[in-house]
Amino acid sequence: KNEVEQSPQNLTAQEGEFITINCSYSVGISALHWLQQHPGGGIVSLFMLSSGKKKHGRLIATINIQEKHSSLHITASHPRDSAVYICAVTDKLIFGTGTRLQVFP
Amino acid sequence: DAGITQSPRHKVTETGTPVTLRCHQTENHRYMYWYRQDPGHGLRLIHYSYGVKDTDKGEVSDGYSVSRSKTEDFLLTLESATSSQTSVYFCAISDRVSETQYFGPGTRLLVL
Repeated sequence: KNEVEQSPQNLTAQEGEFITINCSYSVGISALHWLQQHPGGGIVSLFMLSSGKKKHGRLIATINIQEKHSSLHITASHPRDSAVYICAVTDKLIFGTGTRLQVFP
Repeated sequence: DAGITQSPRHKVTETGTPVTLRCHQTENHRYMYWYRQDPGHGLRLIHYSYGVKDTDKGEVSDGYSVSRSKTEDFLLTLESATSSQTSVYFCAISDRVSETQYFGPGTRLLVL
């Protein structure tokens, strides 16, 4: 069993839909990170969470430390949100395999 | 964007040849990392460095060596490349292990 698991692996949405990507982990952590990998391959950090919720524009990330679960939400999805979203426990240097999101107009 | 570059960006080589990939940062971050990314596996840590001449192995270190003689440079060497080392290699930097990592643009390596 992977120590960091994401679901779903692939996600297709219509523009404007609300998107949720889930991440479960089995190790103790001090923080969890959400990353975005663009179709061109570049990887950028979206959020670092140790508790509660963070919001940046249309992106919202939540974490429940007791349940060892985090979610990334995208409100009013847009085709430019199409990317692979990766959760990571970086103090253990463990990454999920990613969720590939495609948003169609 | 963090100042982090990788070279070369693309490389094709033959089995058995040595290959060195370079990661260069201008941010003076203490930690530097080498990952490989393969379909179905996500990012996997090869080696990381926590200071000049201080390195440690990651999950998939077999067949790879690293060196860090200066804060700004972290080299990854494949002593004798194999086809299983065909991958996309990413370098990353951070101030602390648990802090945000900034990624380089990646290097596509094809071993024939």
